[in-house]
Amino acid sequence: GAVVSQHPSRVICKSGTSVKIECRSLDFQATTMFWYRQFPKQSLMLMATSNEGSKATYEQGVEKDKFLINHASLTLSTLTVTSAHPEDSSFYICSASLQAGGPGTQYFGPGTRLLVL
Amino acid sequence: QKEVEQNSGPLSVPEGAIASLNCTYSDRVSQSFFWYRQYSGKSPELIMSIYSNGDKEDGRFTAQLNKASQYVSLLIRDSQPSDSATYLCAMNSGYSTLTFGKGTMLLVSP
Repeated sequence: GAVVSQHPSRVICKSGTSVKIECRSLDFQATTMFWYRQFPKQSLMLMATSNEGSKATYEQGVEKDKFLINHASLTLSTLTVTSAHPEDSSFYICSASLQAGGPGTQYFGPGTRLLVL
Repeated sequence: QKEVEQNSGPLSVPEGAIASLNCTYSDRVSQSFFWYRQYSGKSPELIMSIYSNGDKEDGRFTAQLNKASQYVSLLIRDSQPSDSATYLCAMNSGYSTLTFGKGTMLLVSP
């Protein structure tokens, strides 16, 4: 149980294009999902917290107009990187909160590796 | 400001030995603590969660929590080369978000 999927696993795009990443909780409903970014050999950085049916809460320094988050259902959250640039190239990982697993428990998706040319 | 501190390592242990990973935290109201394992190029995988003082065992893994001293540790018995990874300590302080440490790299040599 507690499986989280992400799609696509890898994407290469041209500078200036937009990229959408999907995060799904496959066997549970997640009222809260999280989006992280991780650069090579660096720690996880929380970008935003996404609650079903409401606006995402972005961490300081994360541009909400550049990283659009939609959490339209209890099993799906999407992250759209708008007008991507090479500096947006990174490993994007989502997680979903499952309270039944214990307070604060998060399960991570496999991640999406984005390369902007 | 909530902080989670971990030694970045690498911690090198021979196969079959006990690996001891440590983590300290600054927020006294923290309620839940987690250990995640992250292989290179992969996303974190939940190994253990612990909520109360003392030890919690799951197979070769034992998590230890001491709230008075504000530390949490992870012991890996009979370490295997496949345990080589970065281990992330995380805490939850009553809200849904987790605060992560920067991780300790573990290297288990055959």
